[in-house]
Amino acid sequence: AQSVTQLGSHVSVSEGALVLLRCNYSSSVPPYLFWYVQYPNQGLQLLLKYTTGATLVKGINGFEAEFKKSETSFHLTKPSAHMSDAAEYFCAVSDQGYSTLTFGKGTMLLVSP
Amino acid sequence: DTGVSQNPRHKITKRGQNVTFRCDPISEHNRLYWYRQTLGQGPEFLTYFQNEAQLEKSRLLSDRFSAERPKGSFSTLEIQRTEQGDSAMYLCASSLAGGMHEQYFGPGTRLTVT
Repeated sequence: AQSVTQLGSHVSVSEGALVLLRCNYSSSVPPYLFWYVQYPNQGLQLLLKYTTGATLVKGINGFEAEFKKSETSFHLTKPSAHMSDAAEYFCAVSDQGYSTLTFGKGTMLLVSP
Repeated sequence: DTGVSQNPRHKITKRGQNVTFRCDPISEHNRLYWYRQTLGQGPEFLTYFQNEAQLEKSRLLSDRFSAERPKGSFSTLEIQRTEQGDSAMYLCASSLAGGMHEQYFGPGTRLTVT
């Protein structure tokens, strides 16, 4: 069985500060890893994904994430937060022979001026 | 590409009533998924289709829930004899076949059971 743990249900940063959202996964097979963002009253939008190859993955809106197999982690970062980044972020995992996603509980990112 | 659409966006119903939701996927996507999201939680998988075949159902999908995807196009999710615990956001997503392909999500249908 797969699982995802997102540390911190809420993360607060100042505008311009580094954003770091943590995700650890559990999977018995090599995983595919995803980060989605959800704005209020909207569906989930894909930020980035890791399937194979380069472990540092760049996504939309300046976000990136690094797959670290030894740490079973896939943390999301952005060098400089914008007010528009305030939203809920979900990490998800699927395995290579499967297609359903297992999501973490989400981290709400709050950005203050 | 108009994206994944879901109707209705909001549904309020009384306990014991039946409700049906519709999802229209991206036209070239052969996989369609249903998830349920409750407050403070991430989406939880309910079921998925490849074309018209329902390939997997979660334990969360009790016998009061049924999903169909006739002709491999749109899908419906029906909940019979609704309970207050069914109140949630029901999300639909679609993708190409294969786990490496991202799922594109619709805006969801928010169900409130009173």
